[in-house]
Amino acid sequence: GENVEQHPSTLSVQEGDSAVIKCTYSDSASNYFPWYKQELGKRPQLIIDIRSNVGEKKDQRIAVTLNKTAKHFSLHITETQPEDSAVYFCAAGGPYGNNRLAFGKGNQVVVIP
Amino acid sequence: NAGVTQTPKFRVLKTGQSMTLLCAQDMNHEYMYWYRQDPGMGLRLIHYSVGEGTTAKGEVPDGYNVSRLKKQNFLLGLESAAPSQTSVYFCASSYDRDPGPNQPQHFGDGTRLSIL
Repeated sequence: GENVEQHPSTLSVQEGDSAVIKCTYSDSASNYFPWYKQELGKRPQLIIDIRSNVGEKKDQRIAVTLNKTAKHFSLHITETQPEDSAVYFCAAGGPYGNNRLAFGKGNQVVVIP
Repeated sequence: NAGVTQTPKFRVLKTGQSMTLLCAQDMNHEYMYWYRQDPGMGLRLIHYSVGEGTTAKGEVPDGYNVSRLKKQNFLLGLESAAPSQTSVYFCASSYDRDPGPNQPQHFGDGTRLSIL
C-alpha cells in the first residue's frame, strides 16, 4: 500500500518567515494530495489540495508544489503568523474508487512571535 | 448543516467492556471512514465504507467492527476493549465521484477514548 513520509517532524520559525514541509509518497499511481491542519484538541481541517495534473497551487499565504517524477510534494506557508502554529498532515490518494487516503505522521509547526 | 458529528465526545471504559461509537453526516456523502490517532503516529485507517451496506478493512482493523446500515451513519464497535485501544477516534466522510477525481475528506470532532 501507499507509504507517506513527512519531514521534518518539528519546525520552528520566526513570525513573518516562511515554513516549508516536504512529503514523499511511494505509490506512483497516487493522484490526489491534500494537506490538513490540526490545532490542539481539534479536528483535522483541509487547507489545500493538489491533483497530479497540476504542478503548483496557491491560496493566499499557502502554496503546494508537486513533483511527480521524484514523488514528493511540499507545503509552503509564507509570512507565518502565530495562528499558523499547529500540526500539519499530508496525505496521498489513488484512483482506486474508494477515496482512501494514506496520511503522513504529521509536522508540528511552531511560529515564534 | 452540521457536517460530521461524532458521539460521544469522551468515554472511559474498563478492559473487556464493549461500546459503539456513532458517526453521522448530513452531507449525503457516499464514503465514510474511521481513523485512530495516536501521538506520533498520524491518522491510521481502521475501516471504511463506500456506500450503504458496505464495509472494508483499513490499515489497523483488528479489534474493531463496523456497520453502515444507513447512508448517513457509520458505527464503530469495540467488542472487548483493550488498553491498546486508548486513542482519539476520528470519523470522516467524502463525496463520491467515482469514476473521477478524489474528493476531500471532512472530519468530525473526534471521540477521546480511554481504556483502563
